Amino acid sequence: GQQLNQSPQSMFIQEGEDVSMNCTSSSIFNTWLWYKQDPGEGPVLLIALYKAGELTSNGRLTAQFGITRKDSFLNISASIPSDVGIYFCAGHLSGNTPLVFGKGTRLSVIA
Amino acid sequence: EAGVVQSPRYKIIEKKQPVAFWCNPISGHNTLYWYLQNLGQGPELLIRYENEEAVDDSQLPKDRFSAERLKGVDSTLKIQPAELGDSAVYLCASSRRDFTDTQYFGPGTRLTVL
Repeated sequence: GQQLNQSPQSMFIQEGEDVSMNCTSSSIFNTWLWYKQDPGEGPVLLIALYKAGELTSNGRLTAQFGITRKDSFLNISASIPSDVGIYFCAGHLSGNTPLVFGKGTRLSVIA
Repeated sequence: EAGVVQSPRYKIIEKKQPVAFWCNPISGHNTLYWYLQNLGQGPELLIRYENEEAVDDSQLPKDRFSAERLKGVDSTLKIQPAELGDSAVYLCASSRRDFTDTQYFGPGTRLTVL
């Protein structure tokens, strides 16, 4: 079953606002990944994090690998309509384990 | 570079019927994955291939699901017979070397079982 808890489940924001979402687990993860999924499409990788404390940006997106290795957050600055979609966190537990996904945060942007 | 190709994109069948999904990974990618995505959930791994070898099929319901990856390129996922609870999106993904590499997902096949 799912081992990652994402919050919030959904959010409605005004265009131009900043967004923050996070992912927590009771287990230690070796990697944290953030994906975006548009309707009718597969998830697309946004940011990958490989080290505790790592802070990585990709354009208006910024993500951090928590110091405890049990959490991560994703921030989106100055949201635009095309940011609409479902954002998933995912990660690898230690060892030869498959990628585990959270349930996603559904983002809606109001123009 | 072409992405992961999946077909069909949509499939509607009656319960107890068989169904098959096809995936063509990105050229040169050794590892291929099949995921199940239920509504409102994240993808869950069903099976992972490295070349033609299934190296992780622990989550594949083997009583009704089967998969193959002949010649280490294309792959098919089959369900026989399908049940109502199999309605979901079936995603294929591939990565260049192994499971630690970035996974690139296809658009998925949306299955509806009536």
